[in-house]
Amino acid sequence: DIQMTQSPSSMSASLGDTVTITCLASQDIGNYLSWYQQKPGKSPKLMIYGATNLEDGVPSRFSGSRSGSDYSLTINSLGYDDEGIYHCHQYYEYPLTFGSGTKLEIK
Amino acid sequence: EVQLVESGGGLVQPGRSLKLSCLASGFTFSNYGMNWIRQAPGKGLEWVASISSSSSYIYYADTVKGRFTISRDNAKNTLYLQMTSLRSEDTALYYCARHRGANWFAYWGQGTLVTVSS
Repeated sequence: DIQMTQSPSSMSASLGDTVTITCLASQDIGNYLSWYQQKPGKSPKLMIYGATNLEDGVPSRFSGSRSGSDYSLTINSLGYDDEGIYHCHQYYEYPLTFGSGTKLEIK
Repeated sequence: EVQLVESGGGLVQPGRSLKLSCLASGFTFSNYGMNWIRQAPGKGLEWVASISSSSSYIYYADTVKGRFTISRDNAKNTLYLQMTSLRSEDTALYYCARHRGANWFAYWGQGTLVTVSS
């Protein structure tokens, strides 16, 4: 099974900051990676698919990138609405797997 | 507008069975693969099962293989998850989700809570 090692598990940042969340895939997954944002008591929301493609309606402050087996989600100009848990997900092969999540708090 | 509405969750004793449903609307259900994903309280997301549009391809997580059965009724626009031999570790919020393009989860329901406890 493909393991997705996500870091950090939690982080705190200030309004206007830029933050980066990373997922390391245990084997090659190409660009078959997506990112989700989940707010308390809500369903996950697709933010990025294909490692770098922004979902319709998602602010351009969000971006995804890849360097080898490292995948990153970067959020620029942090706002209060960005607070939540972010999950990465590989869909290269079954079983589909998720990272363990990153809890982002805005100070 | 795509809508996915799960139902069927509840409190069930260990070893018993439960069947979840997900009613889909706002798209042609028979054209899309569907999935169940769960989230234990305070934990991350865990993929449970996937089914292709015509039910030709079905996949399960090892943690549920042999106990859970995913199915669909395209005439009723409904996805199912039959869960048997339930364990305490199956306690979770169960989401139904739809693919778009490849197997990323573009649309999610609101979830239905399954609690396995005596």
